[in-house]
Amino acid sequence: RKEVEQDPGPFNVPEGATVAFNCTYSNSASQSFFWYRQDCRKEPKLLMSVYSSGNEDGRFTAQLNRASQYISLLIRDSKLSDSATYLCVVTVTSLYGNKLVFGAGTILRVKS
Amino acid sequence: ETGVTQSPTHLIKTRGQQVTLRCSSQSGHNTVSWYQQALGQGPQFIFQYYREEENGRGNFPPRFSGLQFPNYSSELNVNALELDDSALYLCASSLGPLEGKLFFGSGTQLSVL
Repeated sequence: RKEVEQDPGPFNVPEGATVAFNCTYSNSASQSFFWYRQDCRKEPKLLMSVYSSGNEDGRFTAQLNRASQYISLLIRDSKLSDSATYLCVVTVTSLYGNKLVFGAGTILRVKS
Repeated sequence: ETGVTQSPTHLIKTRGQQVTLRCSSQSGHNTVSWYQQALGQGPQFIFQYYREEENGRGNFPPRFSGLQFPNYSSELNVNALELDDSALYLCASSLGPLEGKLFFGSGTQLSVL
């Protein structure tokens, strides 16, 4: 089983739509959670951290369910510029150190 | 612009050769992580360096090795290149080893023929 799994996508939505991405992680000891965004042929960039109580940043809302080991990202009022790959990221700490584990990503295409 | 620079941007090698990729971290960052990203996949963690010491390693064979220098820049070395090593190699720097906010460079696209 992969450490971080995401909806396969791609998600094709019209402008103004609301879209939700899901992510599950396998390591119950994971401590920190993030969503990154990666544009085509570009490097990933942090979109937002995910907090236990849920958090919002403008049109973006992230939620965490530790019991179910599940993370979500909701995008409201989608814009053309939201088209990108969204990567779910989880920190895993072991005897060998700390690492950020990325999911395979979910492609979002917003169309006019 | 993240302030993280990688060189070279593109590289073509043949099977069995060795390659060195370089990364300059953002000013003030003491931690560098390296990732391999194959087409259509998310970045896969190779290893992390913190204050010149390896601080964590993913599921990559020993022919993937690295260094971090006193100025916190870093190198990734890959020996005995295989076709499957063809990928985008991303370097990311951060304020510390537990920091979740990574600043990525633009990557080195490696093609192994």
